[in-house]
Amino acid sequence: AQSVTQLGSHVSVSEGALVLLRCNYSSSVPPYLFWYVQYPNQGLQLLLKYTSAATLVKGINGFEAEFKKSETSFHLTKPSAHMSDAAEYFCAVSRLTGANNLFFGTGTRLTVIP
Amino acid sequence: GAVVSQHPSRVICKSGTSVKIECRSLDFQATTMFWYRQFPKQSLMLMATSNEGSKATYEQGVEKDKFLINHASLTLSTLTVTSAHPEDSSFYICSARTGDGYTFGSGTRLTVV
Repeated sequence: AQSVTQLGSHVSVSEGALVLLRCNYSSSVPPYLFWYVQYPNQGLQLLLKYTSAATLVKGINGFEAEFKKSETSFHLTKPSAHMSDAAEYFCAVSRLTGANNLFFGTGTRLTVIP
Repeated sequence: GAVVSQHPSRVICKSGTSVKIECRSLDFQATTMFWYRQFPKQSLMLMATSNEGSKATYEQGVEKDKFLINHASLTLSTLTVTSAHPEDSSFYICSARTGDGYTFGSGTRLTVV
């Protein structure tokens, strides 16, 4: 079975500060891991994904995440927060093969303080 | 990239009526479509998985007679909320599997009054 846990339902950072959103996963098989961003009343936009290649994954808008198997973590970071980064962020996991759905974390709402 | 078009984006309906939500894959064939429901300030919960040409697979606790899913072609999947009630008000999102990833529709905000 696959699942993800996002620590912290709300994170606030100052503009220009480091963004760190935590995600830990559980998977009985090698996982695919994803980070998505959602703006109000919109669908999900893919930030980045881990698909068993490089463990440090770079995504859009300056975000990156590192897959750490020993820690079963896939934390999302951005060196310098921008006001436009304020949104809801979801970590998700799926299996590598088959037409399998994503299992989502509970989400983290990021607030950026001017 | 792969795009899924979801319509309508917002719909308000009266209690007891039915509402149909469409998701179309615009530039690829979606063999499998996932339907999610999202309550305010909560995560996405999988409702059902639809496969082209076959019956949808519903998650535990989801009423298949209430949430009718049709996936008659490789480019269109529909979710019909039948006899809608206020508790069905939610944000519904479809998603299709694409290569090694997923693409999402823009979501439908359903309000039942």
